Amino acid sequence: EDQVTQSPEALRLQEGESSSLNCSYTVSGLRGLFWYRQDPGKGPEFLFTLYSAGEEKEKERLKATLTKKESFLHITAPKPEDSATYLCAVLGNQGGKLIFGQGTELSVKP
Amino acid sequence: EPEVTQTPSHQVTQMGQEVILRCVPISNHLYFYWYRQILGQKVEFLVSFYNNEISEKSEIFDDQFSVERPDGSNFTLKIRSTKLEDSAMYFCASSRQGQALQYFGPGTRLTVT
Repeated sequence: EDQVTQSPEALRLQEGESSSLNCSYTVSGLRGLFWYRQDPGKGPEFLFTLYSAGEEKEKERLKATLTKKESFLHITAPKPEDSATYLCAVLGNQGGKLIFGQGTELSVKP
Repeated sequence: EPEVTQTPSHQVTQMGQEVILRCVPISNHLYFYWYRQILGQKVEFLVSFYNNEISEKSEIFDDQFSVERPDGSNFTLKIRSTKLEDSAMYFCASSRQGQALQYFGPGTRLTVT
């Protein structure tokens, strides 16, 4: 059964304190791994897509990496506006549905 | 930038009532989805829709649920007889192709009392 587990569930950082979020997955034939940002009461907002092990994507203070078993979202020198829940989701070879992890709630204090 | 829109943003209904949640997907997208997120839980897949028919559905999507694309722009989710456990955020998503990046709407918060 396809499964996604994210850790930690919650992360509190000081502004400028870099860290990483983890997404471990098991999936039948990975077609894509997606990172989304979700603000309270809002829909998931797309950040990155990764397709194969070794791939990396960067956007401002965020960098996503992918191995055969997990993905990391690295946050460099975060700012308070980076506070949100970060969701990881995978797309397997069984249909078009996304399987989501439970998310990591990130709080960045000034 | 094109985006998925959903109405209403918040719907309150009594148990046993029918509700219709509406979505306008991105205009050149062909695949449409509904997901839900119960408070504090994961986002869960409900159904996918392509070429005017359901292509996949989860165990959650039972006979009480139905989807429709009544015209060229709207995509709806109907719950025939709501239950307390249907209270959740419902997200519509769309993608240009199957097995591709899905863009999500802002969600409808459904509260069943």
